[in-house]
Amino acid sequence: NAGVTQTPKFQVLKTGQSMTLQCAQDMNHEYMSWYRQDPGMGLRLIHYSVGAGITDQGEVPNGYNVSRSTTEDFPLRLLSAAPSQTSVYFCASSYSAGHFNSPLHFGNGTRLTVT
Amino acid sequence: KQEVTQIPAALSVPEGENLVLNCSFTDSAIYNLQWFRQDPGKGLTSLLLIQSSQREQTSGRLNASLDKSSGRSTLYIAASQPGDSATYLCAVKGSSGSARQLTFGSGTQLTVLP
Repeated sequence: NAGVTQTPKFQVLKTGQSMTLQCAQDMNHEYMSWYRQDPGMGLRLIHYSVGAGITDQGEVPNGYNVSRSTTEDFPLRLLSAAPSQTSVYFCASSYSAGHFNSPLHFGNGTRLTVT
Repeated sequence: KQEVTQIPAALSVPEGENLVLNCSFTDSAIYNLQWFRQDPGKGLTSLLLIQSSQREQTSGRLNASLDKSSGRSTLYIAASQPGDSATYLCAVKGSSGSARQLTFGSGTQLTVLP
C-alpha cells in the first residue's frame, strides 16, 4: 500500500532557483493539500484541492503554485526559492472534501533547504 | 481565527505510566478534532478522529475525549511503552468557509523512558 508518496525526500536549492515537489496518492482521494512544518509554528496550509481541476489558497500561499490535472497528482511549485522557504513540506490527502469527518493521510515529507 | 494550543511542549515519563496530553482550541465551531502521531523524519499518522457530536473515541491503549463547549481535548495513553515516544499533534477542522481546513497545534514531544 503506497498511500501518499512524496519526492524528493531531500533537496537543496540556491536562492532564485525553481523546483517542483511531487505528490501522488493511490487511494482515489478527492482532497489533497500541501503543508509546511517549521519549528515552533506547527503545520501551516499552503494550498489545497477538492478535486481535479480545482485548487485554492491556504494560510501561506505566497511563492508557491499548484495544479491538479489528475485525481492522483498534486505537485507544488516553488517559483523563485527564498531562504524563508526552508522547511519540511508535507502532502496530505483525504477521501472527500464533502466528507468532513474523513481522516487525513500524510506523506513522509520533503526536507528543503534554500541557501 | 482558530488557534490550537498544546501544553506541555515536551513530556518525559517512565515506562508503564498512564499519561494525558492536552489540546485546547479557541473556536468551538468545529466539525472534528484529530490526534496525530509524528515520528522523527516521518509524516503524520492519524490516531483518532472525534466528530463534533461525539465525546470520546478509543483505539487500543489510546482514548481521546472532546469537550467542545470548553474548547478542550485530551489524549489518554494507558500503560505507556518506549515505542510510544513520538510527537503528538492535535488538529481541528472548522465548520465554515476557509476554517474547514485543519488547524494544527505545535505538538507535545513525548519520551517514554525504559
